[in-house]
Amino acid sequence: EADIYQTPRYLVIGTGKKITLECSQTMGHDKMYWYQQDPGMELHLIHYSYGVNSTEKGDLSSESTVSRIRTEHFPLTLESARPSHTSQYLCASSELGVGPEGETQYFGPGTRLLVL
Amino acid sequence: AQSVAQPEDQVNVAEGNPLTVKCTYSVSGNPYLFWYVQYPNRGLQFLLKYITGDNLVKGSYGFEAEFNKSQTSFHLKKPSALVSDSALYFCALGGGATNKLIFGTGTLLAVQP
Repeated sequence: EADIYQTPRYLVIGTGKKITLECSQTMGHDKMYWYQQDPGMELHLIHYSYGVNSTEKGDLSSESTVSRIRTEHFPLTLESARPSHTSQYLCASSELGVGPEGETQYFGPGTRLLVL
Repeated sequence: AQSVAQPEDQVNVAEGNPLTVKCTYSVSGNPYLFWYVQYPNRGLQFLLKYITGDNLVKGSYGFEAEFNKSQTSFHLKKPSALVSDSALYFCALGGGATNKLIFGTGTLLAVQP
């Protein structure tokens, strides 16, 4: 089992609320990622980070924001939740700068978000 | 441009029979290929990867995958399916300039007892 944790696992919240999804890893990985998984189960990369103070937008446009103040922590924030944000959010991490081995990503258990 | 395709949305197989989950890819350089499995209400678990070398890669839970450069394929296989293998399987492609993984759309494997 990979040592990557996400909280909460499930969240039901009303429209307009601010929410933060937590992701932490204890593997010392530099790279971290957030994916959104839609009901069709396809994965979409929404944010990634190469290390502390590095954040990049992914392939799918998202209204969420991320921060990377500590290596092990990569929280995702939605300032004002909407029903369209209802989805499963998966966090992952991998090593940096070790060639193709560094591309093996390890995933957390996910947060299932429902916005009413 | 890099891409990965999983042509089957669902694969059905009887317990004890061999299973194959298909994956094809397109990349300009050397491909790094991965298989992940996702059980209900869980994150993705890494199964195996191909970087270089032997075309037959062995992974977790008795799974293996065969890299075929001429057919640009990386099919996941298991000689004898178990009901507990029922899950969603993702193929992924790495090795691009951005070092990001490109995931396929997923294949739901259903193993009937």
